[in-house]
Amino acid sequence: DAKTTQPNSMESNEEEPVHLPCNHSTISGTDYIHWYRQLPSQGPEYVIHGLTSNVNNRMASLAIAEDRKSSTLILHRATLRDAAVYYCILRDVSSGNTPLVFGKGTRLSVIA
Amino acid sequence: GAVVSQHPSRVICKSGTSVKIECRSLDFQATTMFWYRQFPKQSLMLMATSNEGSKATYEQGVEKDKFLINHASLTLSTLTVTSAHPEDSSFYICSARATGDIRYGYTFGSGTRLTVV
Repeated sequence: DAKTTQPNSMESNEEEPVHLPCNHSTISGTDYIHWYRQLPSQGPEYVIHGLTSNVNNRMASLAIAEDRKSSTLILHRATLRDAAVYYCILRDVSSGNTPLVFGKGTRLSVIA
Repeated sequence: GAVVSQHPSRVICKSGTSVKIECRSLDFQATTMFWYRQFPKQSLMLMATSNEGSKATYEQGVEKDKFLINHASLTLSTLTVTSAHPEDSSFYICSARATGDIRYGYTFGSGTRLTVV
């Protein structure tokens, strides 16, 4: 799977929007962009994924650059419960049922 | 949505004893499950892939005789840490996916924090 680069940590104020960046300059045309997050002392949970178009769901929005070499996970109003490590992972469509490979992710702190 | 149940959530055991961790897919069948280990402030590291009805596949550096994996049914995989030592203390997490379609996400258990004393 192609490599991603994320900042080690970010900080946000509560109820402010948060933009978590991910660079993936070597992405291929068949790589999906997945985001997971891991709350403290929990297993990771799926957040969102996309291929080319921007995506929205109840948890977040995913903005994908036109050249697909970067993407941004957007939390529209950060809450204290959003404090977690956020992982950006690329997965080729042909990966089948192979395991996810986690990088270091971005540790998001939310300040009240 | 798909749910993976992992038990126990926390266990303390004496050095030299064995501990079994269960991972169940509650509302879907999983022919494949994955086991990860996570040390403090580090990312998840894949330990092994558990295949229903066949032997597990272990990652390089993971001792298969120490970390026994059994996947006897389509909804249950177990990880047994045998002859545990303090260095085995870690956060163990299992994962599965309801369908083999890459477009769908993986579901993770809530993790098991193992402390070996």
